[in-house]
Amino acid sequence: DAKTTQPTSMDCAEGRAANLPCNHSTISGNEYVYWYRQIHSQGPQYIIHGLKNNETNEMASLIITEDRKSSTLILPHATLRDTAVYYCIDNSGSARQLTFGSGTQLTVLP
Amino acid sequence: NAGVTQTPKFRILKIGQSMTLQCTQDMNHNYMYWYRQDPGMGLKLIYYSVGAGITDKGEVPNGYNVSRSTTEDFPLRLELAAPSQTSVYFCASSFPGQGTSYEQYFGPGTRLTVT
Repeated sequence: DAKTTQPTSMDCAEGRAANLPCNHSTISGNEYVYWYRQIHSQGPQYIIHGLKNNETNEMASLIITEDRKSSTLILPHATLRDTAVYYCIDNSGSARQLTFGSGTQLTVLP
Repeated sequence: NAGVTQTPKFRILKIGQSMTLQCTQDMNHNYMYWYRQDPGMGLKLIYYSVGAGITDKGEVPNGYNVSRSTTEDFPLRLELAAPSQTSVYFCASSFPGQGTSYEQYFGPGTRLTVT
């Protein structure tokens, strides 16, 4: 079973920041948190990952709490094309296989 | 690079038929994975491989078989198709290189219907 919990759905206005929370209170100390998204019917797309420190790349920022029990994915200026299901995932296992939960359906509204 | 390619894109099978879903990657990735996704659900791992000749079961392996004779190819075999295998199948690959990044690259999926 997935070790992460996320809200089922969220809305965000176009151009505003989208903040997607994730609870991973049972994640172990050496497990990274990964974020992927899946735009309708397509294969999942990697966004970002982190362990302890906050991370930023061209797509998003990842804020991880000091106790590592939760994190927030931030899309700084959401566009309509960011409408997707966002998955917060740990990648435990010998082959770093992903255990997907149900994710958060983000809808960006015009 | 084409990345991860999957064939066919769509397929309809009759109950009891068999088929092979093809997956190929051109990124020289060691690790490859097969997932299935039922409507409205997250992906579930069927099988994975950490290199040529090495495969292992994931969360939902029953009814499927895999082989990994080359680094590039990781076919998924359905022997006796059942309606419960109606799903979208995704293949993925990753490269456990230096550091900690195990980013997985996914193919476009195969949509399978068993009737």
